[in-house]
Amino acid sequence: QKEVEQDPGPLSVPEGAIVSLNCTYSNSAFQYFMWYRQYSRKGPELLMYTYSSGNKEDGRFTAQVDKSSKYISLFIRDSQPSDSATYLCSSGNTGKLIFGQGTTLQVKP
Amino acid sequence: NAGVTQTPKFRVLKTGQSMTLLCAQDMNHEYMYWYRQDPGMGLRLIHYSVGEGTTAKGEVPDGYNVSRLKKQNFLLGLESAAPSQTSVYFCASSDPDLEDGAPYEQYFGPGTRLTVT
Repeated sequence: QKEVEQDPGPLSVPEGAIVSLNCTYSNSAFQYFMWYRQYSRKGPELLMYTYSSGNKEDGRFTAQVDKSSKYISLFIRDSQPSDSATYLCSSGNTGKLIFGQGTTLQVKP
Repeated sequence: NAGVTQTPKFRVLKTGQSMTLLCAQDMNHEYMYWYRQDPGMGLRLIHYSVGEGTTAKGEVPDGYNVSRLKKQNFLLGLESAAPSQTSVYFCASSDPDLEDGAPYEQYFGPGTRLTVT
């Protein structure tokens, strides 16, 4: 079992929908939780990060961590076709991050 | 400021051939990483380095070797390529002492698409 698990999807939603992407992790020592976005044929780029538990909001995106249940979530409000990409969750407590399998999202106009 | 660059972008090898992938970063980062990305498997760490002259094994190191002779470069070698090494390879760098941005944020290169026939 991977230390970070993510449903690979794919996920297809209409424009304007609320999207929920989820991951679970198994290592209680993990302190940093990140979401990377990867467009087709590109390298991943950091979208959001949180430290320990709680929520973090940035525009249409909200990252949530529940350390009690070892659950990581990313919510996208008012989804746009430009949000179509693969989203990778990752966790770690040192310079070495563990990545989930990635969820491919398609937002249809 | 080019960030992280990778050479080459594409390569086709025959089974048993060898090659070296080059990663360069101009951000003066201490840490560098090599990943492979396969469908449904996400990013898997091959080898990483926490400083010039140091290397360490990641999750899937077999069949690969690395060297970090200079801080800005991280080389990934395949001594005898196998079809199972067909993948997209990403290099990344990070610096734990960055004052701005996320701790341990990794900056990725554009990737190298390798096919082994």
